[in-house]
Amino acid sequence: AQSVTQLGSHVSVSEGALVLLRCNYSSSVPPYLFWYVQYPNQGLQLLLKYTSAATLVKGINGFEAEFKKSETSFHLTKPSAHMSDAAEYFCARAQGNEKLTFGTGTRLTIIP
Amino acid sequence: DAGITQSPRHKVTETGTPVTLRCHQTENHRYMYWYRQDPGHGLRLIHYSYGVKDTDKGEVSDGYSVSRSKTEDFLLTLESATSSQTSVYFCAISQAVNTEAFFGQGTRLTVV
Repeated sequence: AQSVTQLGSHVSVSEGALVLLRCNYSSSVPPYLFWYVQYPNQGLQLLLKYTSAATLVKGINGFEAEFKKSETSFHLTKPSAHMSDAAEYFCARAQGNEKLTFGTGTRLTIIP
Repeated sequence: DAGITQSPRHKVTETGTPVTLRCHQTENHRYMYWYRQDPGHGLRLIHYSYGVKDTDKGEVSDGYSVSRSKTEDFLLTLESATSSQTSVYFCAISQAVNTEAFFGQGTRLTVV
């Protein structure tokens, strides 16, 4: 089955530092790709999505992600971390009749 | 949240008892999903529905059944709950199979 791999189950960054969360996908044909955020005791909220238009996708809360076919990657970035960014982040994919498949998640901690 | 209500939000039940979780949507989306979320596994699809009375299995369907008698309601039943089914359960909806999904707030189920 096609999948997404999130590198690093836990990432810690200092407040104001760059946030980089990694996601790689497996397939020869680029899928649709998504990033979701989950705050404690809440459901998942869509941050952004890639659907084969622009390779640099801007999302909510200052996050963006760049689709790189040559690297089969869709990493999530934010230039300056805020304390409110502390959450768990999930990368997901879908393609054709394939339903959304999620990575195992990356928990982001912000150090004051 | 995109008009998705899960009930109950928390439940503690005993091993061997039947349990039904309810998902209700007001968005008229065709697709509805049940996921479970466990540490280290991300979200795993249990069952999904592509229309009234049309359902299919996901990757972790053993021990679960579903029903969808109306567009807006999708029920998940654990016929005989086991401790391995202790988890957080999320309902999600989408307009198409390979588009973004919108999530409910989750149901925390504990089987003792």
